[in-house]
Amino acid sequence: DQQVKQNSPSLSVQEGRISILNCDYTNSMFDYFLWYKKYPAEGPTFLISISSIKDKNEDGRFTVFLNKSAKHLSLHIVPSQPGDSAVYFCAASRTGGFKTIFGAGTRLFVKA
Amino acid sequence: ETGVTQSPTHLIKTRGQQVTLRCSSQSGHNTVSWYQQALGQGPQFIFQYYREEENGRGNFPPRFSGLQFPNYSSELNVNALELDDSALYLCASSFRTVRGSGNTIYFGEGSWLTVV
Repeated sequence: DQQVKQNSPSLSVQEGRISILNCDYTNSMFDYFLWYKKYPAEGPTFLISISSIKDKNEDGRFTVFLNKSAKHLSLHIVPSQPGDSAVYFCAASRTGGFKTIFGAGTRLFVKA
Repeated sequence: ETGVTQSPTHLIKTRGQQVTLRCSSQSGHNTVSWYQQALGQGPQFIFQYYREEENGRGNFPPRFSGLQFPNYSSELNVNALELDDSALYLCASSFRTVRGSGNTIYFGEGSWLTVV
């Protein structure tokens, strides 16, 4: 029962270009969405979040877009840097719930 | 750095043994969640502790158990270890509001468990 899906296992982008990571969810009760970045041998690091009352949230080079009707969110990284190379996890939770559910991750390679 | 610390960082156990993993929450947080991350997968929710009680559990058998202490630190115990228990175990802390909405969880570095 995969409620949060990241269908692209990997993505390769040239330094300076835009990286777009996608995520789909199935549970319409989700109202809070997050992105995490994970380097090897480290725990996931929180990047950015968005509440379902918004459709966009921006933090520096990172922007998350939410399309509730399509149950889809995306993370845009502009411009991409080699240090952004990592695994990115999409996650979702709902008000009154007790767990945050994660996708399987997308490995981003940013080539110099 | 999140302020969530976990120990030990790596350990090797034999099938059938028991293991205890420890976690200290970020200051100001009142909730601890534990996740299991196998290779190539996202973190899978094991359970959450709030006010020293289990607040919710994922699809894990009863041999996975936990504790939360008054200082909000926590332990994850796994009995009768199986080979498939080999994974990265992640502790995450958060501040749970009364509504329980919009809670961002912050992870520690994880404990790598290998069962042989």
